[in-house]
Amino acid sequence: DAKTTQPPSMDCAEGRAANLPCNHSTISGNEYVYWYRQIHSQGPQYIIHGLKNNETNEMASLIITEDRKSSTLILPHATLRDTAVYYCIVRVGSSNTGKLIFGQGTTLQVKP
Amino acid sequence: GAGVSQSPSNKVTEKGKDVELRCDPISGHTALYWYRQSLGQGLEFLIYFQGNSAPDKSGLPSDRFSAERTGGSVSTLTIQRTQQEDSAVYLCASSFRDRNQPQHFGDGTRLSIL
Repeated sequence: DAKTTQPPSMDCAEGRAANLPCNHSTISGNEYVYWYRQIHSQGPQYIIHGLKNNETNEMASLIITEDRKSSTLILPHATLRDTAVYYCIVRVGSSNTGKLIFGQGTTLQVKP
Repeated sequence: GAGVSQSPSNKVTEKGKDVELRCDPISGHTALYWYRQSLGQGLEFLIYFQGNSAPDKSGLPSDRFSAERTGGSVSTLTIQRTQQEDSAVYLCASSFRDRNQPQHFGDGTRLSIL
């Protein structure tokens, strides 16, 4: 599975949009981009995933560049509860195992 | 609906004892995964079950670790003769069969070996 690169930490003001970048320059054509987050003492929470097109759900938006080498997770109106470690993962959709490989992620601190 | 349920939420045991950790996946999910997360570390894959297929055990760190899934639903992860380095949070996730579908995680079992 392709390796991802994320900044180790970011700050965001409460009520503003949080834009979390992820580089995956070696991504293959059949690899999906997944985003999870982990709040202290909880299991990882699925946020969103996509292959080529931009995606939006009730939690966030995922913007994938046309060459698919990078993506951005957007939390439109960050709240204090969005403070967490955010993981960007690329995974082959047809992988036998389907296991997720978590990197170090980005620690997002939402400040009042 | 109900999410992935894991029990116990916390387990403290003495070195050398055996432990069993339980995972109840989301109803209808045929794929089940076990991961572990050591303090300050990322998630480490342990084992994967998919329907009636042979499980992928490639992530199990030693033969002291084993897991089974009965009836395609509940799974038990067993650690025999526990060591202090086994201390970690053990996480279970489940998903629908389609590998494009996201995995949904429980809140884990925090295992502490004294």
